[in-house]
Amino acid sequence: DAKTTQPNSMESNEEEPVHLPCNHSTISGTDYIHWYRQLPSQGPEYVIHGLTSNVNNRMASLAIAEDRKSSTLILHRATLRDAAVYYCILSSEKGGSEKLVFGKGTKLTVNP
Amino acid sequence: DTEVTQTPKHLVMGMTNKKSLKCEQHMGHRAMYWYKQKAKKPPELMFVYSYEKLSINESVPSRFSPECPNSSLLNLHLHALQPEDSALYLCASSQDWPQRNEKLFFGSGTQLSVL
Repeated sequence: DAKTTQPNSMESNEEEPVHLPCNHSTISGTDYIHWYRQLPSQGPEYVIHGLTSNVNNRMASLAIAEDRKSSTLILHRATLRDAAVYYCILSSEKGGSEKLVFGKGTKLTVNP
Repeated sequence: DTEVTQTPKHLVMGMTNKKSLKCEQHMGHRAMYWYKQKAKKPPELMFVYSYEKLSINESVPSRFSPECPNSSLLNLHLHALQPEDSALYLCASSQDWPQRNEKLFFGSGTQLSVL
Protein backbone atom coordinates (compact mmCIF):
# COMPACT_ATOMS: atom_id res chain seq x y z
CA ASP A 1 0.00 0.00 0.00
CA ALA A 2 1.25 3.49 -0.85
CA LYS A 3 2.55 5.27 2.25
CA THR A 4 2.21 8.83 3.45
CA THR A 5 4.10 10.63 6.20
CA GLN A 6 2.57 13.49 8.17
CA PRO A 7 3.53 15.32 11.36
CA ASN A 8 1.71 13.92 14.37
CA SER A 9 0.36 17.31 15.42
CA MET A 10 0.29 20.98 14.47
CA GLU A 11 -1.01 24.11 16.09
CA SER A 12 -2.50 27.22 14.57
CA ASN A 13 -4.19 30.41 15.62
CA GLU A 14 -7.70 31.29 14.62
CA GLU A 15 -8.06 33.27 11.37
CA GLU A 16 -4.50 32.48 10.30
CA PRO A 17 -3.57 30.24 7.35
CA VAL A 18 -2.55 26.65 8.05
CA HIS A 19 -0.24 24.57 5.88
CA LEU A 20 -0.45 20.83 6.54
CA PRO A 21 2.40 18.90 4.85
CA CYS A 22 2.39 15.34 3.56
CA ASN A 23 5.24 13.30 2.10
CA HIS A 24 4.50 10.46 -0.30
CA SER A 25 7.82 9.64 -1.95
CA THR A 26 6.63 6.23 -3.24
CA ILE A 27 3.63 7.62 -5.09
CA SER A 28 2.94 6.04 -8.47
CA GLY A 29 2.08 7.99 -11.59
CA THR A 30 -1.63 7.29 -11.39
CA ASP A 31 -2.20 7.66 -7.62
CA TYR A 32 -4.52 10.44 -6.57
CA ILE A 33 -3.75 12.40 -3.40
CA HIS A 34 -6.76 12.61 -1.10
CA TRP A 35 -7.31 14.59 2.09
CA TYR A 36 -9.95 13.78 4.66
CA ARG A 37 -10.48 15.19 8.12
CA GLN A 38 -12.14 13.75 11.16
CA LEU A 39 -13.71 15.95 13.78
CA PRO A 40 -14.15 14.54 17.30
CA SER A 41 -16.91 11.93 17.54
CA GLN A 42 -17.61 12.01 13.81
CA GLY A 43 -16.74 10.00 10.74
CA PRO A 44 -14.10 11.24 8.31
CA GLU A 45 -15.12 14.03 5.97
CA TYR A 46 -13.81 14.57 2.45
CA VAL A 47 -11.73 17.73 2.06
CA ILE A 48 -10.06 17.71 -1.34
CA HIS A 49 -8.15 15.53 -3.79
CA GLY A 50 -5.93 15.95 -6.83
CA LEU A 51 -3.57 14.23 -9.25
CA THR A 52 -0.97 16.67 -10.57
CA SER A 53 -2.28 20.21 -10.62
CA ASN A 54 -3.08 22.36 -7.62
CA VAL A 55 -6.73 22.22 -6.63
CA ASN A 56 -9.04 24.65 -4.86
CA ASN A 57 -12.48 24.21 -3.37
CA ARG A 58 -14.58 26.01 -0.80
CA MET A 59 -12.91 24.18 2.07
CA ALA A 60 -9.23 24.26 1.19
CA SER A 61 -6.47 24.31 -1.40
CA LEU A 62 -4.17 21.45 -2.32
CA ALA A 63 -0.67 22.26 -3.51
CA ILE A 64 1.11 19.35 -5.17
CA ALA A 65 4.87 19.37 -5.69
CA GLU A 66 6.10 19.12 -9.26
CA ASP A 67 7.64 15.68 -8.62
CA ARG A 68 4.46 14.66 -6.74
CA LYS A 69 6.48 13.33 -3.82
CA SER A 70 4.86 15.76 -1.42
CA SER A 71 1.75 17.89 -1.08
CA THR A 72 0.38 20.55 1.23
CA LEU A 73 -3.18 21.12 2.36
CA ILE A 74 -3.86 24.81 2.88
CA LEU A 75 -6.64 26.12 5.08
CA HIS A 76 -6.75 29.80 4.24
CA ARG A 77 -8.26 31.06 7.50
CA ALA A 78 -8.45 28.54 10.31
CA THR A 79 -11.50 28.52 12.52
CA LEU A 80 -12.13 26.63 15.75
CA ARG A 81 -14.31 24.25 13.74
CA ASP A 82 -11.25 23.21 11.72
CA ALA A 83 -9.74 21.48 14.74
CA ALA A 84 -9.58 17.86 13.62
CA VAL A 85 -7.31 15.03 12.55
CA TYR A 86 -6.29 15.54 8.91
CA TYR A 87 -5.47 12.47 6.86
CA CYS A 88 -3.41 12.53 3.68
CA ILE A 89 -4.19 9.39 1.68
CA LEU A 90 -3.05 7.89 -1.59
CA SER A 91 -5.46 5.82 -3.60
CA SER A 92 -3.78 2.45 -3.63
CA GLU A 93 -4.17 -0.05 -6.43
CA LYS A 94 -3.06 -3.60 -5.79
CA GLY A 95 -3.96 -6.56 -7.96
CA GLY A 96 -6.84 -4.67 -9.51
CA SER A 97 -8.22 -3.68 -6.10
CA GLU A 98 -8.58 0.03 -5.48
CA LYS A 99 -8.78 1.33 -1.93
CA LEU A 100 -8.05 4.30 0.29
CA VAL A 101 -5.64 3.37 3.07
CA PHE A 102 -5.53 5.92 5.89
CA GLY A 103 -2.18 6.96 7.39
CA LYS A 104 -1.72 8.20 10.93
CA GLY A 105 -2.84 11.77 10.23
CA THR A 106 -2.05 15.17 11.74
CA LYS A 107 -3.99 16.42 14.72
CA LEU A 108 -4.62 20.13 14.19
CA THR A 109 -5.26 22.31 17.20
CA VAL A 110 -6.66 25.79 16.56
CA ASN A 111 -6.14 28.37 19.29
CA PRO A 112 -8.64 31.19 19.78
CA ASP B 1 -29.32 14.13 0.50
CA THR B 2 -25.60 13.54 1.01
CA GLU B 3 -25.92 11.54 4.16
CA VAL B 4 -24.80 8.08 5.19
CA THR B 5 -26.89 6.95 8.15
CA GLN B 6 -25.62 4.36 10.59
CA THR B 7 -27.62 2.65 13.33
CA PRO B 8 -27.31 2.15 16.18
CA LYS B 9 -24.95 4.93 17.30
CA HIS B 10 -23.86 2.90 20.32
CA LEU B 11 -23.95 -0.83 20.96
CA VAL B 12 -22.90 -2.91 23.94
CA MET B 13 -22.85 -6.66 23.48
CA GLY B 14 -21.61 -9.74 25.22
CA MET B 15 -19.26 -12.22 23.60
CA THR B 16 -22.07 -14.71 22.99
CA ASN B 17 -24.50 -12.24 21.46
CA LYS B 18 -25.47 -11.80 17.83
CA LYS B 19 -26.06 -8.26 16.67
CA SER B 20 -26.13 -6.29 13.42
CA LEU B 21 -24.94 -2.86 12.38
CA LYS B 22 -26.88 -1.08 9.67
CA CYS B 23 -25.88 1.52 7.12
CA GLU B 24 -28.06 3.33 4.59
CA GLN B 25 -27.46 5.87 1.82
CA HIS B 26 -29.80 7.39 -0.75
CA MET B 27 -27.28 9.08 -3.01
CA GLY B 28 -27.47 6.40 -5.67
CA HIS B 29 -23.94 5.24 -4.84
CA ARG B 30 -22.98 1.78 -6.07
CA ALA B 31 -20.03 1.20 -3.73
CA MET B 32 -20.20 0.78 0.04
CA TYR B 33 -17.50 0.18 2.62
CA TRP B 34 -16.95 -0.91 6.20
CA TYR B 35 -14.04 0.53 8.15
CA LYS B 36 -12.98 -0.20 11.73
CA GLN B 37 -11.37 2.48 13.91
CA LYS B 38 -9.73 1.83 17.27
CA ALA B 39 -9.33 4.75 19.67
CA LYS B 40 -6.70 7.28 18.52
CA LYS B 41 -5.91 5.20 15.41
CA PRO B 42 -6.77 5.77 11.74
CA PRO B 43 -9.68 3.91 10.14
CA GLU B 44 -8.82 0.48 8.72
CA LEU B 45 -10.62 -0.91 5.71
CA MET B 46 -12.58 -4.13 6.30
CA PHE B 47 -14.85 -4.70 3.29
CA VAL B 48 -15.79 -3.13 -0.03
CA TYR B 49 -19.02 -3.85 -1.89
CA SER B 50 -19.46 -2.83 -5.48
CA TYR B 51 -22.84 -3.26 -7.18
CA GLU B 52 -23.96 -5.37 -4.20
CA LYS B 53 -21.09 -7.83 -4.62
CA LEU B 54 -18.24 -8.24 -2.16
CA SER B 55 -15.12 -6.93 -3.89
CA ILE B 56 -12.62 -6.65 -1.05
CA ASN B 57 -12.33 -8.57 2.21
CA GLU B 58 -9.23 -7.43 4.09
CA SER B 59 -8.77 -10.83 5.76
CA VAL B 60 -11.43 -9.98 8.34
CA PRO B 61 -12.30 -12.78 10.84
CA SER B 62 -15.48 -14.69 10.04
CA ARG B 63 -17.16 -13.42 13.21
CA PHE B 64 -17.78 -10.31 11.09
CA SER B 65 -20.21 -11.07 8.27
CA PRO B 66 -21.11 -8.31 5.81
CA GLU B 67 -24.27 -8.23 3.75
CA CYS B 68 -25.47 -5.88 1.02
CA PRO B 69 -29.21 -6.57 0.45
CA ASN B 70 -29.50 -3.77 -2.11
CA SER B 71 -27.53 -0.81 -3.38
CA SER B 72 -28.76 1.46 -0.56
CA LEU B 73 -28.21 -0.83 2.40
CA LEU B 74 -25.18 -2.38 4.02
CA ASN B 75 -25.22 -4.56 7.12
CA LEU B 76 -22.49 -5.96 9.31
CA HIS B 77 -23.53 -9.04 11.27
CA LEU B 78 -21.59 -9.67 14.46
CA HIS B 79 -21.30 -12.99 16.26
CA ALA B 80 -19.03 -14.28 19.02
CA LEU B 81 -16.97 -11.10 19.16
CA GLN B 82 -14.00 -10.57 21.43
CA PRO B 83 -13.35 -7.57 23.70
CA GLU B 84 -10.56 -6.46 21.32
CA ASP B 85 -13.23 -5.97 18.65
CA SER B 86 -14.50 -2.96 20.58
CA ALA B 87 -14.10 0.00 18.22
CA LEU B 88 -15.90 2.59 16.11
CA TYR B 89 -17.34 0.94 12.99
CA LEU B 90 -17.66 3.32 10.07
CA CYS B 91 -19.70 2.89 6.93
CA ALA B 92 -18.91 4.83 3.76
CA SER B 93 -20.19 5.03 0.22
CA SER B 94 -18.95 6.33 -3.11
CA GLN B 95 -20.44 6.76 -6.56
CA ASP B 96 -18.48 3.87 -8.02
CA TRP B 97 -15.58 1.50 -7.41
CA PRO B 98 -12.81 1.03 -8.36
CA GLN B 99 -12.13 4.64 -9.22
CA ARG B 100 -9.13 6.52 -7.88
CA ASN B 101 -10.94 9.79 -8.43
CA GLU B 102 -13.87 8.95 -6.14
CA LYS B 103 -14.62 10.64 -2.86
CA LEU B 104 -16.04 8.73 0.06
CA PHE B 105 -18.97 9.82 2.18
CA PHE B 106 -18.78 8.50 5.72
CA GLY B 107 -21.41 7.96 8.36
CA SER B 108 -20.86 8.96 12.00
CA GLY B 109 -20.20 5.39 12.99
CA THR B 110 -21.39 2.86 15.54
CA GLN B 111 -19.40 2.78 18.77
CA LEU B 112 -19.24 -0.89 19.72
CA SER B 113 -18.27 -2.21 23.13
CA VAL B 114 -17.83 -5.97 23.61
CA LEU B 115 -17.96 -7.13 27.23
